Amino acid sequence: AQKITQTQPGMFVQEKEAVTLDCTYDTSDQSYGLFWYKQPSSGEMIFLIYQGSYDEQNATEGRYSLNFQKARKSANLVISASQLGDSAMYFCAMREPPTGNQFYFGTGTSLTVIP
Amino acid sequence: KAGVTQTPRYLIKTRGQQVTLSCSPISGHRSVSWYQQTPGQGLQFLFEYFSETQRNKGNFPGRFSGRQFSNSRSEMNVSTLELGDSALYLCASSSHGQSNEQFFGPGTRLTVL
Repeated sequence: AQKITQTQPGMFVQEKEAVTLDCTYDTSDQSYGLFWYKQPSSGEMIFLIYQGSYDEQNATEGRYSLNFQKARKSANLVISASQLGDSAMYFCAMREPPTGNQFYFGTGTSLTVIP
Repeated sequence: KAGVTQTPRYLIKTRGQQVTLSCSPISGHRSVSWYQQTPGQGLQFLFEYFSETQRNKGNFPGRFSGRQFSNSRSEMNVSTLELGDSALYLCASSSHGQSNEQFFGPGTRLTVL
């Protein structure tokens, strides 16, 4: 079974609007971390936001927020006030214990911001 | 603070050859992970090194190997290259055991002809 599922291969959003990118995950562990990365066409992966499984509050980083619904095993990324520079691939990822930094990535969502 | 650097950025090899990719993590970071990214398979974990020891390994054949030096720099080696090894190879570094952040390098794009 896929550890991370991103069901939206492509998304379009109007500039200055908000957009939600979906992510669901599968784990039987109680302790895990969820991440979102942005990958522009240049190829470099840019860290956006992190949510720990024990964090009670949704994580926020500037225009990015993570809508964490533990019972539903979802970790959706919300980008507010979209900008043209937000056009990129977005990957959801999960890190599981017990040790190490092995990340499982979803297949990604391609976001296009329309002027 | 300098970011994660990877060399070379682009590489063209032929089938049967071997290749070595290099990754220098952020200063002070001890964990280095390697990923393979292809259009068909997405991002797949290869292995992670922490303090010169391989700590985790993904589901790749033994042709893929790596190592980490005492200065935390890491190398990845692929022997007997196959066409399917063409991919973007990304390296990521973290500061400690289970970091809340993993910083990626720009990647090495390997083309196997």
